[in-house]
Amino acid sequence: KNEVEQSPQNLTAQEGEFITINCSYSVGISALHWLQQHPGGGIVSLFMLSSGKKKHGRLIATINIQEKHSSLHITASHPRDSAVYICAVPPSGGGADGLTFGKGTHLIIQP
Amino acid sequence: DADVTQTPRNRITKTGKRIMLECSQTKGHDRMYWYRQDPGLGLRLIYYSFDVKDINKGEISDGYSVSRQAQAKFSLSLESAIPNQTALYFCATSDWSGNPTQYFGPGTRLTVL
Repeated sequence: KNEVEQSPQNLTAQEGEFITINCSYSVGISALHWLQQHPGGGIVSLFMLSSGKKKHGRLIATINIQEKHSSLHITASHPRDSAVYICAVPPSGGGADGLTFGKGTHLIIQP
Repeated sequence: DADVTQTPRNRITKTGKRIMLECSQTKGHDRMYWYRQDPGLGLRLIYYSFDVKDINKGEISDGYSVSRQAQAKFSLSLESAIPNQTALYFCATSDWSGNPTQYFGPGTRLTVL
C-alpha cells in the first residue's frame, strides 16, 4: 500500500504570499493528482501529472518521480485560495483502481 | 446541471437501520468509486467499479455493499448502520481511456446515532 504524506497539515499565510505544499509517497507511481476541497466540502481535481511541471493560473504543480515527491505552489495567494489541498496517487499495479489520498493541507489565506 | 450527483445530501439515521446512498453521473464514464472522508484520516476507498459487471472492494469495504444498476448509477448500502460509519461520503467517476482525472459528487453527510 502506498503511503502518502503531506506537509504542512495546516498553513496560515497573508494575502500575496507564495505558498508551497509538499507531498511524498512510498511506492513508485505513474502519475499523481492534486485536488482542492472547498470549505463547503466539494472536491475538484486541479492537476494530474506524471513528470515535470504543470501550471494553471496561479497554481503550479511539480513532481520528481525519482525522489517520490511533488509540490503544489500558489503564487500571489488570495483569500479565495483558502481550502484543503489533497494529493493522491493511483495503485502501483496489479489491475487495481481508486486513489490513495494524503490527509490534506488546510490552507487559510488572510486578507 | 452537475455531472455527478448524490442523494441524499444529508442523512441522520439510527444504529441498525439500512441506508442507501445513491450516485448518478452524466459524464458517460465507465469507472465509478465510493470514498468516505473522516476528520484526520482523509479520504479512503470503499468500493470501485470498472463497469456494470465488475465491482471490487477497496481499502475499507467491511460493513458496506454496492450495486451498479447501470453505467450511470452506483449505489452504496449500509445494511446495518453503526455510529463509526458517521462520515462524509463521496462518489466519483473517471474515464481511463485517456485522462484518469476523477470527478467527484458533492458528498453525502451521514450521521448514525
